[in-house]
Amino acid sequence: DQQVKQNSPSLSVQEGRISILNCDYTNSMFDYFLWYKKYPAEGPTFLISISSIKDKNEDGRFTVFLNKSAKHLSLHIVPSQPGDSAVYFCAASWAGGGADGLTFGKGTHLIIQP
Amino acid sequence: EPEVTQTPSHQVTQMGQEVILRCVPISNHLYFYWYRQILGQKVEFLVSFYNNEISEKSEIFDDQFSVERPDGSNFTLKIRSTKLEDSAMYFCASSYGTGGAYEQYFGPGTRLTVT
Repeated sequence: DQQVKQNSPSLSVQEGRISILNCDYTNSMFDYFLWYKKYPAEGPTFLISISSIKDKNEDGRFTVFLNKSAKHLSLHIVPSQPGDSAVYFCAASWAGGGADGLTFGKGTHLIIQP
Repeated sequence: EPEVTQTPSHQVTQMGQEVILRCVPISNHLYFYWYRQILGQKVEFLVSFYNNEISEKSEIFDDQFSVERPDGSNFTLKIRSTKLEDSAMYFCASSYGTGGAYEQYFGPGTRLTVT
């Protein structure tokens, strides 16, 4: 049951260019969407989030866009830097009651080429 | 900067044995979580814990699993009788509040290998 889908297992981008990572979801009850970054041998690290009532959130080089009608969100990284090379997970949460766990996508491995 | 810590980093056990994975959440956090990631697959939610009881659990979290906060700092995941398919990275996380507005901080993970 893939409620959160990241259809690109990997993405290669040149340093300095824009990286765009995509994510689709099926559950319209999700009310928050988050992006996590993961380096090998480390746990996921929070990057940026967006509430379902917004369509854009920006934090420095990172911007997340949400299109609720299409059930699609994207993470833009501008400009891409070598340290951005990592696996990026899209995640979603639903305040259905209790301490809600996150639903993750499978991740996209971003490779920034010099 | 405060961080979530997990021990051990790698645990090898034989099928049928019990294992306990340990986590120290960030000290002022109130919500605690366990997730797992089987090699090549997505990170999956197992259980959340608040106010000394389970708040939510997934269908993966069956009777073989239990969680405990034995003292004011540790948060443990016990697997009673391990199976080969329990081999995975297990991540502990904690947050100050609940819901997507509150960031969940993840530990570095424990790699569990069941032979």
